[in-house]
Amino acid sequence: DAGITQSPRHKVTETGTPVTLRCHQTENHRYMYWYRQDPGHGLRLIHYSYGVKDTDKGEVSDGYSVSRSKTEDFLLTLESATSSQTSVYFCAIRVAGNLYNEQFFGPGTRLTVL
Amino acid sequence: SQELEQSPQSLIVQEGKNLTINCTSSKTLYGLYWYKQKYGEGLIFLMMLQKGGEEKSHEKITAKLDEKKQQSSLHITASQPSHAGIYLCGAQNQAGTALIFGKGTTLSVSS
Repeated sequence: DAGITQSPRHKVTETGTPVTLRCHQTENHRYMYWYRQDPGHGLRLIHYSYGVKDTDKGEVSDGYSVSRSKTEDFLLTLESATSSQTSVYFCAIRVAGNLYNEQFFGPGTRLTVL
Repeated sequence: SQELEQSPQSLIVQEGKNLTINCTSSKTLYGLYWYKQKYGEGLIFLMMLQKGGEEKSHEKITAKLDEKKQQSSLHITASQPSHAGIYLCGAQNQAGTALIFGKGTTLSVSS
């Protein structure tokens, strides 16, 4: 258990509304990630962070923004949700400094945009 | 950009049978990660392979890395219903900043 929680776990919203998903970790890992998982596409990187206020774009960043004001929290915001953003969103942390640099994942947030 | 292709996309095996899942990279592999996902849940890290020819085992699951073929295989011996789920392979992107993933292989085990 890498101490990763995501909130909310489920959300239904309407097109055009803003949505913020939260990822919280308890172990002070530097790297945090947001992925989305869709049938036929697998897991795709949205944004990642390599420290407080240090973020960068991933493969599918359009329509998303992120913020990291504290080490433990990484927020993903959909400024104006669209139906194409209906997906399952996973947060991950990277255990840097050991041999494998493996990523550990949170339980996911299922978002439905109507 | 690098892509990971998994095969098969899905398979159904009878309990007790062996099976193999393959993951092939379009570019040089610098470490290959295997994850398992139960439906509706997050990904569970299984193992990571770093060097060509490396082989690791976790319970009845064995993974191998063939660096020359840019390929990894995941072999399950004597499958059980608890092995059912989605298996995903991942590899570090070129910048080394994140993982990219294959689309996954869905495994069903019938009893």
